[in-house]
Amino acid sequence: DSGVTQTPKHLITATGQRVTLRCSPRSGDLSVYWYQQSLDQGLQFLIQYYNGEERAKGNILERFSAQQFPDLHSELNLSSLELGDSALYFCASSERTDNNSPLHFGNGTRLTVT
Amino acid sequence: AQSVTQPDIHITVSEGASLELRCNYSYGATPYLFWYVQSPGQGLQLLLKYFSGDTLVQGIKGFEAEFKRSQSSFNLRKPSVHWSDAAEYFCAVVPFSGGYNKLIFGAGTRLAVHP
Repeated sequence: DSGVTQTPKHLITATGQRVTLRCSPRSGDLSVYWYQQSLDQGLQFLIQYYNGEERAKGNILERFSAQQFPDLHSELNLSSLELGDSALYFCASSERTDNNSPLHFGNGTRLTVT
Repeated sequence: AQSVTQPDIHITVSEGASLELRCNYSYGATPYLFWYVQSPGQGLQLLLKYFSGDTLVQGIKGFEAEFKRSQSSFNLRKPSVHWSDAAEYFCAVVPFSGGYNKLIFGAGTRLAVHP
């Protein structure tokens, strides 16, 4: 068990809809990362937060947004959903932002857009 | 462009056989190197990592990997595979000056283990 909790595990929704994915980082971890795993793009970094502040953006669409709350949990909001947004969305956390701080992954939220 | 290549999409081995999963990277300088394993329905678990020093790295679950600068490779090995090793394996790199927000993954190698 990595200590990173993601909810829900599965989400099925229709095109055009909006969903929110939730992540609770490992206790003591200040940094949260979101990754998308899809069949055609593989695993890609989306966005990072550190102690409530956005730290870095990757290949994140404008339709997607995220935030990290004072209790350090994070939410990834996906809107105007398209079929191509179907993917496994991972949250990961680390204590610090340097690479010596281990990265812990949650089990992911599988999003299916129909 | 920076990239990570895992040439083998699928590999099947017999239980007890040895295993080598290949990983090549394309970077200007030696990056940080990682191997992760993803079991069905699970997140990614770190097997091992290389930052510097001894080029043969020991990891969890009996895995090891060897960094070869001249070949830009970081191949994962296990002397004797167990049925529970069936999973997908990802090689990943981070630039020396970067953090996990610059983590680049290979496409993955799916390992099947025959009894």
